[in-house]
Amino acid sequence: NAGVTQTPKFQVLKTGQSMTLQCAQDMNHNSMYWYRQDPGMGLRLIYYSASEGTTDKGEVPNGYNVSRLNKREFSLRLESAAPSQTSVYFCASSEGPSPYNEQFFGPGTRLTVL
Amino acid sequence: AQSVTQLDSQVPVFEEAPVELRCNYSSSVSVYLFWYVQYPNQGLQLLLKYLSGSTLVKGINGFEAEFNKSQTSFHLRKPSVHISDTAEYFCAVSDRDAGNMLTFGGGTRLMVKP
Repeated sequence: NAGVTQTPKFQVLKTGQSMTLQCAQDMNHNSMYWYRQDPGMGLRLIYYSASEGTTDKGEVPNGYNVSRLNKREFSLRLESAAPSQTSVYFCASSEGPSPYNEQFFGPGTRLTVL
Repeated sequence: AQSVTQLDSQVPVFEEAPVELRCNYSSSVSVYLFWYVQYPNQGLQLLLKYLSGSTLVKGINGFEAEFNKSQTSFHLRKPSVHISDTAEYFCAVSDRDAGNMLTFGGGTRLMVKP
């Protein structure tokens, strides 16, 4: 039982390049989330998917797109990377969109945009 | 809108000493409160949560927190810390209007010294 997995672990991009961060969970969870973590700012929600087939914007969605490919997978795409998107990205999942459901986090992807 | 303030960005403490990590929140409705821990180069792990009921909440690894509605606080405490408690700790809030969307504080780095 791997929990939440993320690929890649590290990535360096040049300004303007695109890339997709992959996330998968094997806990049969309905809800999935993408966060970014910046020093002193905690984690901020980028997008979330309350259930398969739905996605919604979080606090900082600009410059990102997401795809809920199926129940297991939730990808985050940067179409034209900018230095301001240098961050650590975390994917999380939970049984459902309720505070009573614990969010489980992946190990993170460290992204640097030059 | 909800927000979370963690008053200390770093807390140095000697091994076996007690520690308190402070968290204050703002929200206009009933809240749900969480503490997460992040060990170096890992994702976040839930320490404890307050959803309802008793205001004193016990979590893993000997941590506890007390919900104080009048002070809008949810401080985390441990009576005797170990070297292995060295990590970053995040307070987070959600409310009934936010579903499972968490708002995180900026984090407190706990540094336990021998």
